[in-house]
Amino acid sequence: AQSVTQPDIHITVSEGASLELRCNYSYGATPYLFWYVQSPGQGLQLLLKYFSGDTLVQGIKGFEAEFKRSQSSFNLRKPSVHWSDAAEYFCAVGPSGGSYIPTFGRGTSLIVHP
Amino acid sequence: EAGVVQSPRYKIIEKKQPVAFWCNPISGHNTLYWYRQNLGQGPELLIRYENEEAVDDSQLPKDRFSAERLKGVDSTLKIQPAELGDSAVYLCASSLGLAGETQYFGPGTRLLVL
Repeated sequence: AQSVTQPDIHITVSEGASLELRCNYSYGATPYLFWYVQSPGQGLQLLLKYFSGDTLVQGIKGFEAEFKRSQSSFNLRKPSVHWSDAAEYFCAVGPSGGSYIPTFGRGTSLIVHP
Repeated sequence: EAGVVQSPRYKIIEKKQPVAFWCNPISGHNTLYWYRQNLGQGPELLIRYENEEAVDDSQLPKDRFSAERLKGVDSTLKIQPAELGDSAVYLCASSLGLAGETQYFGPGTRLLVL
């Protein structure tokens, strides 16, 4: 069965600094990979996804992620963080074929200092 | 275009009482998902519908949880009787139903069982 590990429960950065959120997955084949963001009291919003092709994926709000098969990782990055980026970030992995049932990581809480 | 609508947004009940949550997916989305999100965790799938058919309910605690999607549009998730451990956020999501298709999440219903 697939699994997702987000090793950092909390990440604190200063506004304007760069950001990298870690995600490692376990899956027997080529996975679908996702990053979602959840603001307080809101549902999850898709930032970006990887299915195949270019391993560097661009998403909304200036985020990008890179799929590294050799490291089983799909880390999320942003070059300059804004205070409005403070939220919970979830990495998810899904099957590469057939029905799509994602497995979510436990999330990383991003705190942005002014 | 309206997103996924859920109601109520908040619910406080005493243990052993029944509770129901309602979800209206995005128009045209055939697949509907119910997730439970415990505090500090990622969402976990409870049940998935393809139109009116429940195609994956292996994680639904069937002794107390039930769900329906009678006309293949909106859906209701019920808990009877509720237990203290059911306190969580219940998220509804919908998608077009194709493999890997983006899920769109509602804001969730936050349940507190006293």
